[in-house]
Amino acid sequence: QIQLVQSGAEVKKPGASVKVSCKTYGYTFTRYGITWVRQAPGQGPEWMGWISPYNGNTNYARRVQGRVTMTTDTSTSTAYMELRNLKSDDTAVYYCARDYNGSGQYYFDYWGQGTPVAVSS
Amino acid sequence: DIQMTQSPPSLSASLGDRVTITCRASQSISTYVNWYQQKPGKAPNVLISAASNLLSGVPSRFSGTGSGTDFTLTINSLQPEDFATYYCQQSHSPPYSFGQGTKLEIK
Repeated sequence: QIQLVQSGAEVKKPGASVKVSCKTYGYTFTRYGITWVRQAPGQGPEWMGWISPYNGNTNYARRVQGRVTMTTDTSTSTAYMELRNLKSDDTAVYYCARDYNGSGQYYFDYWGQGTPVAVSS
Repeated sequence: DIQMTQSPPSLSASLGDRVTITCRASQSISTYVNWYQQKPGKAPNVLISAASNLLSGVPSRFSGTGSGTDFTLTINSLQPEDFATYYCQQSHSPPYSFGQGTKLEIK
């Protein structure tokens, strides 16, 4: 069955970088985009950006542009999200999600389990 | 950027009640709205796409309406498993923003 399995929790100091992985199973990796969403404690989800595993095209949210890089490894069907120069307000649970885009609809149909990232000195 | 404003932020209801959650977009977005349910410690789960399309496996007591800027999610005959937080999300244009959520609690 379709699964997205993320790497484990991280604790980082301000200014450091974090790289979260999202290994996918059960579908053709290059046929669906991967979106990254984060959710700070007690807040709604925040869209961070998207990558096409087919051609590597990306689209990043302005709020993290310049600090984030999304990549994929098609040989292992894995997506990665690296966030640099971490600040305390980057503390959140980070999710990867598969994009469904068809029939005039676009939504995130399968999600990883989430990776908590805590940024603290 | 499109802002999504949900109301109410929280809602108390009893088993068997009917509840409605609203979401307003800061500009017209046709029917490019999805609704998600999230339970504590879990990822969001999509219930409705394109404002009113009930996804496979989602109980028929859930329904969505709206177009333009105003959207609603209705849950008929609340069941114990429905107590969760609900989010709207616009899929019109990036950044694909979410509302701040409505927490549905048992009265």
